[in-house]
Amino acid sequence: GAGVSQTPSNKVTEKGKYVELRCDPISGHTALYWYRQSLGQGPEFLIYFQGTGAADDSGLPNDRFFAVRPEGSVSTLKIQRTERGDSAVYLCASTREGAGGETQYFGPGTRLLVL
Amino acid sequence: AQSVTQPDIHITVSEGASLELRCNYSYGATPYLFWYVQSPGQGLQLLLKYFSGDTLVQGIKGFEAEFKRSQSSFNLRKPSVHWSDAAEYFCAVAPDSSYKLIFGSGTRLLVRP
Repeated sequence: GAGVSQTPSNKVTEKGKYVELRCDPISGHTALYWYRQSLGQGPEFLIYFQGTGAADDSGLPNDRFFAVRPEGSVSTLKIQRTERGDSAVYLCASTREGAGGETQYFGPGTRLLVL
Repeated sequence: AQSVTQPDIHITVSEGASLELRCNYSYGATPYLFWYVQSPGQGLQLLLKYFSGDTLVQGIKGFEAEFKRSQSSFNLRKPSVHWSDAAEYFCAVAPDSSYKLIFGSGTRLLVRP
């Protein structure tokens, strides 16, 4: 597609449930990033993929969060045993190479609400 | 601690008036600097970025930003605001020339007709 797409656009779940958020990057982009944006805040870095591997997962808040990118294209962010504090907009971005300073192209985000 | 500060949570300007959004960062060396805009229901869009060279950077939609090393600032400006500029604006830095963006908390721009 022309841009980064994310599905679903909205997700409502109950505390303790498992959720998966999907990101489809720009075709040909090898680098993919996940950010989390809480209400009234700027996005915070979660994880960075170069190809299929997670090159930097230092932003994942705890072991309930996990992300995969098995074929080097689509990525899935997985959250286990969701908590109300996980409610946020989850943003995905991609770049051609993953080099510093590249323009990161963002998707519209998935708004997650944990009740 | 490393941080990006956008001191204005909200700014309201009249259509046609000039605009300046402030951004300060605290890093030892000059990081890569960015301004993004976020409209409701849309992803973040890059307005402009600075790596080195001329400290006045031109971006899309008539925006410009000036890097001032002595003040650790990267303020965004526009000489004449349009109603369609109403959105949230984020300053971001990439420390150590890295891929990891550190965002400020944003400034919401409201435009009076």
